[in-house]
Amino acid sequence: SAVISQKPSRDICQRGTSLTIQCQVDSQVTMMFWYRQQPGQSLTLIATANQGSEATYESGFVIDKFPISRPNLTFSTLTVSNMSPEDSSIYLCSAGGAYYEQYFGPGTRLTVT
Amino acid sequence: GQQLNQSPQSMFIQEGEDVSMNCTSSSIFNTWLWYKQDPGEGPVLLIALYKAGELTSNGRLTAQFGITRKDSFLNISASIPSDVGIYFCAGQPKKTSYDKVIFGPGTSLSVIP
Repeated sequence: SAVISQKPSRDICQRGTSLTIQCQVDSQVTMMFWYRQQPGQSLTLIATANQGSEATYESGFVIDKFPISRPNLTFSTLTVSNMSPEDSSIYLCSAGGAYYEQYFGPGTRLTVT
Repeated sequence: GQQLNQSPQSMFIQEGEDVSMNCTSSSIFNTWLWYKQDPGEGPVLLIALYKAGELTSNGRLTAQFGITRKDSFLNISASIPSDVGIYFCAGQPKKTSYDKVIFGPGTSLSVIP
């Protein structure tokens, strides 16, 4: 298994600003993912963070809005750019050796005012 | 795109009762996963299923990969208060060209002491 930490745990941001969320894994992992979860709802995959190459984004999510970095096998960041109230959500990072063995971080609770 | 349906949407049961929930899809899945999410936390992987017909247990939890590969079931025996949470099924659709999973909408479980 892997232990995932995320920073910040929560934030309140003004519209038009950007927030970068950090995800740290306690061991080297092959795969890292970023999800969005509205309160009381399911998880929606934003993108797969690929080490050494550009992230693979899901339909409805674009790099300009959600730039992702993955500089090494234990760390990734997700930036939520030019935020609007619709971006208020929980952002979750997951990691693992394979897509079917994902371990999740505690999430970042973002409120945009 | 592919969607997963979970039923029931929510359950209220007495402590000690057994619980059954299921997850269905209109398309075939290669892998079925069951996660549990506690309030304010990220999902935790409970059971992973890889073959049609597979039955796997994890303590009081038992899950099965449906023969048709379009469904999966999760049973919890002798429920206790700490079983409270949201249970998500997830899976990899057969036609997915790269590694990712999609999540169902979740089943909310409440246990009455």
